[in-house]
Amino acid sequence: NAGVMQNPRHLVRRRGQEARLRCSPMKGHSHVYWYRQLPEEGLKFMVYLQKENIIDESGMPKERFSAEFPKEGPSILRIQQVVRGDSAAYFCASSLTVAGDDQPQHFGDGTRLSIL
Amino acid sequence: QQQVKQSPQSLIVQKGGISIINCAYENTAFDYFPWYQQFPGKGPALLIAIRPDVSEKKEGRFTISFNKSAKQFSLHIMDSQPGDSATYFCAASRGSGTYKYIFGTGTRLKVLA
Repeated sequence: NAGVMQNPRHLVRRRGQEARLRCSPMKGHSHVYWYRQLPEEGLKFMVYLQKENIIDESGMPKERFSAEFPKEGPSILRIQQVVRGDSAAYFCASSLTVAGDDQPQHFGDGTRLSIL
Repeated sequence: QQQVKQSPQSLIVQKGGISIINCAYENTAFDYFPWYQQFPGKGPALLIAIRPDVSEKKEGRFTISFNKSAKQFSLHIMDSQPGDSATYFCAASRGSGTYKYIFGTGTRLKVLA
């Protein structure tokens, strides 16, 4: 019963390049969340997606960042024209919603993005 | 209104002692309060969670105490062990599985052997 899988675990990019972060949710989970964690800080919500739909993107910068969760395949967080300030750990979480039950978010081990 | 304030920032406890971490929130719409444990290089792992209709929840050595009127909740780790050394995050949400989590800033716990 695999957990949330994220890849790559580490990603190095030069300023101006594109970064693509992938997240495969737990089996049967249709809700995906992306969070960003800066060093020595808590996790900040970025975006919440269900299959093929963005539900809440209130935490995602308006420019350069985009996310998708296609019908088939993993969720992708895409950062275009990366800058040094994008260096962080990006975590994906997934959940399974069953009415009346508590279904918490389960996290992957993250992608550590470093910008040179 | 969306913040969750967590304290202390760091905590050192002797083996066998009690570790206590506190969180406070403002938004009364929050109705789900999980605690996560994170080891270096790993993702947060759910420890225990509580809803506002319960004042206390215990799972093994971990207990959440919840004070709805004060809008505060805390994590108690009884008989703390060196293996408990990690960063602990509280969070709040309007629901368990269909809404974003608002995280506290974390508490770095070190349990001395």
